[in-house]
Amino acid sequence: EAGVTQFPSHSVIEKGQTVTLRCDPISGHDNLYWYRRVMGKEIKFLLHFVKESKQDESGMPNNRFLAERTGGTYSTLKVQPAELEDSGVYFCASSSRTPPESAFFGQGTRLTVV
Amino acid sequence: ILNVEQSPQSLHVQEGDSTNFTCSFPSSNFYALHWYRWETAKSPEALFVMTLNGDEKKKGRISATLNTKEGYSYLYIKGSQPEDSATYLCASHGYNFNKFYFGSGTKLNVKP
Repeated sequence: EAGVTQFPSHSVIEKGQTVTLRCDPISGHDNLYWYRRVMGKEIKFLLHFVKESKQDESGMPNNRFLAERTGGTYSTLKVQPAELEDSGVYFCASSSRTPPESAFFGQGTRLTVV
Repeated sequence: ILNVEQSPQSLHVQEGDSTNFTCSFPSSNFYALHWYRWETAKSPEALFVMTLNGDEKKKGRISATLNTKEGYSYLYIKGSQPEDSATYLCASHGYNFNKFYFGSGTKLNVKP
């Protein structure tokens, strides 16, 4: 069974540019989460989808970040325009509807804004 | 917001040493505590999920305990090996299950 996959694994962009990160969850997992880890700090919640609906987007830092999950399958996280402080590792995770199953994480996308 | 704290931030041990680290979390509205092992450039790997006070879980040389009344969990590694080198993350979530609150991790380095 395929795990959670993220693309790209690494992205280097200039300040002001746009980047789109993609996450393919485990098939059948309704819950999809985006998290971010800034250098040396804890992994922080960004938002949570249940199927195609945004259940909780309280962690999104500002309106430069836009997440979508059309059709309840894969999700994208767009950063436009990127700022230096957006650099970090962006993780996607998915889980089935039944708690307390651990969420399964992708390998992350390392975003570097220069 | 749940503040999850882990200590120590980093740990250097010799191969064969046993070690342990701590995860503390708010005990109110607690539902479950998760431990993950994260090697650089790889996905965080789920180790344990615990819900009940007094829970103990074991996987090979790694074990974990949970105290929900006082809000802490310990992760133990017996006879550390170089391949145990990784960052160990704990995450807590409450009844709404909407999000996991992570600690900043303990980075373990096991020297051969």
